[in-house]
Amino acid sequence: EAGVTQFPSHSVIEKGQTVTLRCDPISGHDNLYWYRRVMGKEIKFLLHFVKESKQDESGMPNNRFLAERTGGTYSTLKVQPAELEDSGVYFCASSQRGLAGDETQYFGPGTRLLVL
Amino acid sequence: AQTVTQSQPEMSVQEAETVTLSCTYDTSENNYYLFWYKQPPSRQMILVIRQEAYKQQNATENRFSVNFQKAAKSFSLKISDSQLGDTAMYFCAFMRPIQGAQKLVFGQGTRLTINP
Repeated sequence: EAGVTQFPSHSVIEKGQTVTLRCDPISGHDNLYWYRRVMGKEIKFLLHFVKESKQDESGMPNNRFLAERTGGTYSTLKVQPAELEDSGVYFCASSQRGLAGDETQYFGPGTRLLVL
Repeated sequence: AQTVTQSQPEMSVQEAETVTLSCTYDTSENNYYLFWYKQPPSRQMILVIRQEAYKQQNATENRFSVNFQKAAKSFSLKISDSQLGDTAMYFCAFMRPIQGAQKLVFGQGTRLTINP
């Protein structure tokens, strides 16, 4: 079974440009999460999809970030326009929908974003 | 809001030694889940072990075990007979088992190096 995949693995862009990150969850996983780790700090939650619906987007930093999950399969996270403080590693995770709490999250390898 | 603290930014031990990584958390909840994730260099983050707060018995997975002290809000990870492949960033995480709100709250991470 394929794990969570993310694309690209690395992205270097200039301030003001747009970047789109993609996450393909494990097949059949309704829950999809985005997290971010800024250099040296803890991994922080960004948002949570259940199928195509945004369940919780309380961690999104500002309106420069837009996440979508059309069709309830893969998800994209767009940053427009990118700022220096957006640099970090963006992780995606997915889990099956089951009993609350009994939903282990499986992580992708992350996308390392550097904004210059 | 829940917080997770890992007080050891870095640790280093010799191969075959036993090492304990510390984690404390703060919550007013009575039911929750705790996790240890590991991210080897340039590789995917994977789940090491998880503990349900309502279970008194400490979780174990082969060479990995936890010391869960609910009253003290402590959740340390013990790695026995450490191996070179255990070199990684280790993250402690907390989750509330509420449908639709299962975001993980992470600590800052501990960089563990196993020396030959």
